[in-house]
Amino acid sequence: KNEVEQSPQNLTAQEGEFITINCSYSVGISALHWLQQHPGGGIVSLFMLSSGKKKHGRLIATINIQEKHSSLHITASHPRDSAVYICAIRDDKIIFGKGTRLHILP
Amino acid sequence: ETGVTQTPRHLVMGMTNKKSLKCEQHLGHNAMYWYKQSAKKPLELMFVYNFKEQTENNSVPSRFSPECPNSSHLFLHLHTLQPEDSALYLCASRRQGGTEAFFGQGTRLTVV
Repeated sequence: KNEVEQSPQNLTAQEGEFITINCSYSVGISALHWLQQHPGGGIVSLFMLSSGKKKHGRLIATINIQEKHSSLHITASHPRDSAVYICAIRDDKIIFGKGTRLHILP
Repeated sequence: ETGVTQTPRHLVMGMTNKKSLKCEQHLGHNAMYWYKQSAKKPLELMFVYNFKEQTENNSVPSRFSPECPNSSHLFLHLHTLQPEDSALYLCASRRQGGTEAFFGQGTRLTVV
């Protein structure tokens, strides 16, 4: 059974700090997704990864298939980045992590 | 604005009521999904529809009944729910073979 672990569960940082959120899983997968959920519930799909690294604006996502680990980085963090970040993996079904609640202080 | 619209945004219903949640997208996507997000628990995939056909049902109780009349609309019919069914219900859609899912804003359901 595949399991998804995210760390940290909660993270508070000052505006401008470099943020890293981690996701580990236990069995091989076909793809890994990073999602952003804003207060109120709306979810945005940030990245889908099967290997390597992707960048979109200030967001960078990496995945190491051998180590079964992915990281989401935010550079020059801003209060509007405050949200819950969710890692999700796909093997034969989609499994979601519990999310990391990020709060960026102005 | 993701292009996926859910209504209503908030719903309070009694345990004997029957209500329906609606999801609509005009993105040309042919895969649609219902998710449940309970407080302090991970997102749970409930149902998957591909080209209007249900392809996944993750052991969801029969008091939740999905309907997909066409590729643009997805409903979740609710009847005789329990208070523990109170949660945020999210709809998502994806183009077949695409990599990105688009989520609606969700319906926050409270069962009293």
